[in-house]
Amino acid sequence: EAQVTQNPRYLITVTGKKLTVTCSQNMNHEYMSWYRQDPGLGLRQIYYSMNVEVTDKGDVPEGYKVSRKEKRNFPLILESPSPNQTSLYFCASSLYGTATQYFGPGTRLTVL
Amino acid sequence: SQQGEEDPQALSIQEGENATMNCSYKTSINNLQWYRQNSGRGLVHLILIRSNEREKHSGRLRVTLDTSKKSSSLLITASRAADTASYFCATDASGYALNFGKGTSLLVTP
Repeated sequence: EAQVTQNPRYLITVTGKKLTVTCSQNMNHEYMSWYRQDPGLGLRQIYYSMNVEVTDKGDVPEGYKVSRKEKRNFPLILESPSPNQTSLYFCASSLYGTATQYFGPGTRLTVL
Repeated sequence: SQQGEEDPQALSIQEGENATMNCSYKTSINNLQWYRQNSGRGLVHLILIRSNEREKHSGRLRVTLDTSKKSSSLLITASRAADTASYFCATDASGYALNFGKGTSLLVTP
């Protein structure tokens, strides 16, 4: 089954404790991206990757890192999480940047 | 940066009625897409309309695009309770990333 998977689905952590949210797709898509969704603000893009080893900032990249060492994986790293990063995070993939996006199920992160 | 803006923010109708939601945007686009999100879950692609198209249909969905007014509408006919969800438009203005609006929350009551 074609899908985007994210782990963990739920995470509660404390300020400053490094964490990684994994994202994997099995559709051989070139493009992958991370979004955060907050009430009243909609979806905002954090980072995107057009291909392996190619990443670029989205609209809200501060406090986040990404890497794309393999085509299928695109982890999101929060090196020192803060409470304002409490949000619902989505990974998405597509053939190219503006093609149909396939979204993962989301990761609900709470930073205390 | 967000470009699409959905209207209304929230819509409540009864089963069997039609639901119409609109999306306005600011700059020229290559295509516009509509997505659905069931509560807290990942977005699901519904339909894509290109800038040279005026109308597209998919099942009970009808999307129109008016590039002169920089607006699009999504019509869901004969709504069902299962259509309860948030609906987002996403615009391709850059060629490399989509910009999502804040969404319309649709409630369909039996």
